[in-house]
Amino acid sequence: GAVVSQHPSWVICKSGTSVKIECRSLDFQATTMFWYRQFPKQSLMLMATSNEGSKATYEQGVEKDKFLINHASLTLSTLTVTSAHPEDSSFYICSAAGTEVGFIYQHFGDGTRLSIL
Amino acid sequence: RKEVEQDPGPFNVPEGATVAFNCTYSNSASQSFFWYRQDCRKEPKLLMSVYSSGNEDGRFTAQLNRASQYISLLIRDSKLSDSATYLCVVNVANTGNQFYFGTGTSLTVIP
Repeated sequence: GAVVSQHPSWVICKSGTSVKIECRSLDFQATTMFWYRQFPKQSLMLMATSNEGSKATYEQGVEKDKFLINHASLTLSTLTVTSAHPEDSSFYICSAAGTEVGFIYQHFGDGTRLSIL
Repeated sequence: RKEVEQDPGPFNVPEGATVAFNCTYSNSASQSFFWYRQDCRKEPKLLMSVYSSGNEDGRFTAQLNRASQYISLLIRDSKLSDSATYLCVVNVANTGNQFYFGTGTSLTVIP
């Protein structure tokens, strides 16, 4: 099945640091990728929809200048958390939309645990 | 109104029990429907797609009712390993590959 690789798995860094997370679709081309955030014991929250070659579409309440998304190729999208603060600590998950047997599925990366000290 | 609504539970059932989850969606133009499973501190994984005619995969049965705009997941003979959060996902094709997630239903299977 389709595989989405997300890197890094864990990040621990000081407040004020910018953190870049990569999401790659390994065996299919993904014109659309999604970025989610999940706080403990809460549901997934869509942050933005990333379209290859165009600007990302951010959900209401998500600061586009804080969470920079780049989708420069059909297999790679990146999320950069700029000047991260402790409240940005969360589980960030990407997914890529791929088509199989007439369905459009979301294939998820393993997620990135971000801890800001 | 939320696009997708699920009962968050939690559902605590004994091993061997049958448990059913329902999920309602608001957009009648929704095209594709899925159940995902998310284990604690892990990413969601596709459990099964939901076909119009209903479909079964081992102990799992998914049903779609377009008239009432809900989908269901039935788990028979529950195993301890079924303990997880089950997410209902709807793809509304006319919004450009936009997927909507339910908040998830927590299931704990008790020995």
